[in-house]
Amino acid sequence: TQLLEQSPQFLSIQEGENLTVYCNSSSVFSSLQWYRQEPGEGPVLLVTVVTGGEVKKLKRLTFQFGDARKDSSLHITAAQPGDTGLYLCAGRKNRDDKIIFGKGTRLHILP
Amino acid sequence: DAGVIQSPRHEVTEMGQEVTLRCKPISGHNSLFWYRQTMMRGLELLIYFNNNVPIDDSGMPEDRFSAKMPNASFSTLKIQPSEPRDSAVYFCASSLSGAQPQHFGDGTRLSIL
Repeated sequence: TQLLEQSPQFLSIQEGENLTVYCNSSSVFSSLQWYRQEPGEGPVLLVTVVTGGEVKKLKRLTFQFGDARKDSSLHITAAQPGDTGLYLCAGRKNRDDKIIFGKGTRLHILP
Repeated sequence: DAGVIQSPRHEVTEMGQEVTLRCKPISGHNSLFWYRQTMMRGLELLIYFNNNVPIDDSGMPEDRFSAKMPNASFSTLKIQPSEPRDSAVYFCASSLSGAQPQHFGDGTRLSIL
């Protein structure tokens, strides 16, 4: 059983469109992170959210942590080919616990 | 600034051979993590060290896998003997402390024939 479920697994859309990907769990997390991984490279941290209901923006990317701290979403506005990659969410149940990764959403933006 | 450095970037070897993967963490980082990534299972934590001491090795698949951190600037992950099912991308990551954001290397793509 995967503790963090990400959906969709794959998403291919045209440049300029908006999209949302999700990270869901039945467990509560003290913090949740989003990473982007490009082919041949390691994951790179985009954001960390720690407060229920928190919203963080990174240019065209908007991250939200659910009120109950069990889920999170990543919304991309006006997607660009440079957004292509594997988006991973990762959560930590308690501050000193090891981090757990979801399997990721593989996003492909068509020019 | 140099990030996490892993070597080799690619390794192809026959089953039964010993494989050694190497990692140099970011200078000043006290925590080091080894992960394995496959399409089927995603990114899985194998083991992590804090101040060169193994803290949690519950993710190490079996006795064929071992990891060491002889000093703060070097760690190895060894597989002996290797099997085809060990084929994956192995990542090393480091952080200032266990709870801080992790910085990943570019991985070692391992193929066991």
